[in-house]
Amino acid sequence: DADVTQTPRNRITKTGKRIMLECSQTKGHDRMYWYRQDPGLGLRLIYYSFDVKDINKGEISDGYSVSRQAQAKFSLSLESAIPNQTALYFCATSDQDRGTDTQYFGPGTRLTVL
Amino acid sequence: GQNIDQPTEMTATEGAIVQINCTYQTSGFNGLFWYQQHAGEAPTFLSYNVLDGLEEKGRFSSFLSRSKGYSYLLLKELQMKDSASYLCAVSSYGNNRLAFGKGNQVVVIP
Repeated sequence: DADVTQTPRNRITKTGKRIMLECSQTKGHDRMYWYRQDPGLGLRLIYYSFDVKDINKGEISDGYSVSRQAQAKFSLSLESAIPNQTALYFCATSDQDRGTDTQYFGPGTRLTVL
Repeated sequence: GQNIDQPTEMTATEGAIVQINCTYQTSGFNGLFWYQQHAGEAPTFLSYNVLDGLEEKGRFSSFLSRSKGYSYLLLKELQMKDSASYLCAVSSYGNNRLAFGKGNQVVVIP
């Protein structure tokens, strides 16, 4: 079984709709992250959380919100989707206690906003 | 802020050696990561360097020079499955996040 899972894997929605992307992990890591990836722009950080009570904005948080429901779950919401939020979204986890804080990525969610 | 630069694409022949470069500018350097990403898939961790020198891991090696703000990933005995994008990412003290380069696309041809 995968250590980091994302649902859904693909989603097509319309402008103005509310969308939630979910991430779950069985790695026991405290830190979780949401990124989006666009062609030619690389991975950009949306939000991150270092424990259940900690939420931090990344470099492109406008138009997004998150919820850390438990150590193992971190959800990303688009309150009112717009076409330029069409992208590949990745969740990642890391564990600073191991020193390197290496991030491990989920399989991704391909979101299309029409 | 952080600035990370990688060349965009290169083509190499199966069995050859390819070197992928990454230069960076940051304050409070705290480590550099290399990831491999096949098209449409998740990035997967390859290597981590925090001290100067070469780290070898099978066919892949990664080098770091902190004074020059420079790293490279060396892929030996190239295989077709090595066709992917290779991402360089830098960690900095006090930033609590990784800054990713845009990736270098490697195409392996027979």
